[in-house]
Amino acid sequence: ETGVTQSPTHLIKTRGQQVTLRCSSQSGHNTVSWYQQALGQGPQFIFQYYREEENGRGNFPPRFSGLQFPNYSSELNVNALELDDSALYLCASRPGTGITGELFFGEGSRLTVL
Amino acid sequence: AQTVTQSQPEMSVQEAETVTLSCTYDTSESDYYLFWYKQPPSRQMILVIRQEAYKQQNATENRFSVNFQKAAKSFSLKISDSQLGDAAMYFCAYRSANSGYALNFGKGTSLLVTP
Repeated sequence: ETGVTQSPTHLIKTRGQQVTLRCSSQSGHNTVSWYQQALGQGPQFIFQYYREEENGRGNFPPRFSGLQFPNYSSELNVNALELDDSALYLCASRPGTGITGELFFGEGSRLTVL
Repeated sequence: AQTVTQSQPEMSVQEAETVTLSCTYDTSESDYYLFWYKQPPSRQMILVIRQEAYKQQNATENRFSVNFQKAAKSFSLKISDSQLGDAAMYFCAYRSANSGYALNFGKGTSLLVTP
């Protein structure tokens, strides 16, 4: 048990729609990052938030955006959904920005875009 | 950009035996961190073991150990006394020490443990 919970666990959307995925981290975990894991692939880094500000981003377009809240919860928003956005979305958190700090992952939200 | 390669899509081991999972990476940096993560069917990624590149000594965590060859850019995971609960996807991951937030993952190796 990592103390990171994500919701919803599964959802289905149609192309062009918007989706919001949610993550709740452990108290004190002020760094949260999001990863996209396509079927049969390793996770790909989307972005990271530290103290409610984005401080790192992978190779994802601006229609992927996020929010982090003071209560250690966060959101991943994806606009104008495309078929290729179908994937498992993983949230991971840790205390501070320390390089060696262990990342604690949630169980992910499985998004299917039709 | 750093790339991580896991050349074994699937591996199989008998219970109580030893198995080694391979990982190679490509980087021009001298300071970085390497990880092995386990992802069971529950989908939750769990850290198995971590290695700092500046340390020559190979990391060990109970039945899990690594063979870190910095010059060869190789980072293999050895699982001793395999147990049924070890069955999962295993991902090798790289993190830069300089731009240090993102983990770069390989494509994973599916480990099957047979009784």
